[in-house]
Amino acid sequence: AQSVSQHNHHVILSEAASLELGCNYSYGGTVNLFWYVQYPGQHLQLLLKYFSGDPLVKGIKGFEAEFIKSKFSFNLRKPSVQWSDTAEYFCAVTLDQTGANNLFFGTGTRLTVIP
Amino acid sequence: SQTIHQWPATLVQPVGSPLSLECTVEGTSNPNLYWYRQAAGRGLQLLFYSVGIGQISSEVPQNLSASRPQDRQFILSSKKLLLSDSGFYLCAWKGQSNTGELFFGEGSRLTVL
Repeated sequence: AQSVSQHNHHVILSEAASLELGCNYSYGGTVNLFWYVQYPGQHLQLLLKYFSGDPLVKGIKGFEAEFIKSKFSFNLRKPSVQWSDTAEYFCAVTLDQTGANNLFFGTGTRLTVIP
Repeated sequence: SQTIHQWPATLVQPVGSPLSLECTVEGTSNPNLYWYRQAAGRGLQLLFYSVGIGQISSEVPQNLSASRPQDRQFILSSKKLLLSDSGFYLCAWKGQSNTGELFFGEGSRLTVL
């Protein structure tokens, strides 16, 4: 069965540190990949997504992610984090282009940025 | 613009009591609708999805059920709650544009005592 793995459960960084959150999926076919973010007290919102084309995708607030097909990975990066990036981050995969197009989520990574 | 609302935002219920969480979407027609549960340390688990009125698919066996009586209404129910039903429930919709992006509601926190 398909799965999405986020190995970092809780990451603590100081402001201006660089961030990389890992995401791996297990599925051999075509995938669409997403990163969602949930800021404290807010609803889940899309950070960035990959469908096709350039494997390096840029999202909101300076985030980017790189799709490496050979490694089944879609890691999230940001060169310099801010206190306001404190949130929970979810990687997600959808496996088909039609029908319900169900989104499967990883367990999430909680990021705490210390001022 | 499209909006999604779910209520109640917070619910405390005793074991064995019934449950009804409601979700409505405005500004779009014939959306795919989803119920997810977010449990601590376990991420988001897809519970149900619906591609149309009266069409419900369940992803995991459980004590819960879902219904879609109208195009833009999705209801999560239980006849008798269990302690393990506690969690944060999220409703989401996806449009027909097939971008794959889901739009989430504010969530409903359920505590079963």
